[in-house]
Amino acid sequence: AQSVAQPEDQVNVAEGNPLTVKCTYSVSGNPYLFWYVQYPNRGLQFLLKYITGDNLVKGSYGFEAEFNKSQTSFHLKKPSALVSDSALYFCAVIRRGRDDKIIFGKGTRLHILP
Amino acid sequence: EADIYQTPRYLVIGTGKKITLECSQTMGHDKMYWYQQDPGMELHLIHYSYGVNSTEKGDLSSESTVSRIRTEHFPLTLESARPSHTSQYLCASSEGSPHEQFFGPGTRLTVL
Repeated sequence: AQSVAQPEDQVNVAEGNPLTVKCTYSVSGNPYLFWYVQYPNRGLQFLLKYITGDNLVKGSYGFEAEFNKSQTSFHLKKPSALVSDSALYFCAVIRRGRDDKIIFGKGTRLHILP
Repeated sequence: EADIYQTPRYLVIGTGKKITLECSQTMGHDKMYWYQQDPGMELHLIHYSYGVNSTEKGDLSSESTVSRIRTEHFPLTLESARPSHTSQYLCASSEGSPHEQFFGPGTRLTVL
């Protein structure tokens, strides 16, 4: 079955430190992978996606994610965290060849401490 | 400006009322979706549509219904609201595959 796991409900990082939000996936075949961010009382905003090609994907607001096929992971990273990065982050997957029904992870709340 | 809109943003109603949550997008996307999300929690797909006159139920069973008479419009209706329907409802659209979904700001529904 197609699934996405975000093992951490919450991640706390000091401002200026690098951050990582973890995501692992389980699909048959090659996946399409996405990261979204949700600020309070807002809808989700697209950050970045992996379709094919370079395993390191760069996205909005200085975020990037690394696709690791052997570890079936797609961790979100940023070299230097900002307080404004505090939000809820969702990883998502679509199985190639399937329709556009994205499967979302449960979300990870990121707290950046000033 | 291409965007996706949801109205109302907030709604407080009494039990038994019929309500319709509006969702419109100006991007010409064929695919539209409704998600239910308790605050700060995971998203659950409740309805989706791949085009006009096409609607399907999602992974989470819902007492709501949807219609897709026009490409840009995908309203969600609850015939008789109950407190268990209290949640946030997010509408999204996408075009093609594997393109990302664009989300509206959400409607926060409270049923008393």
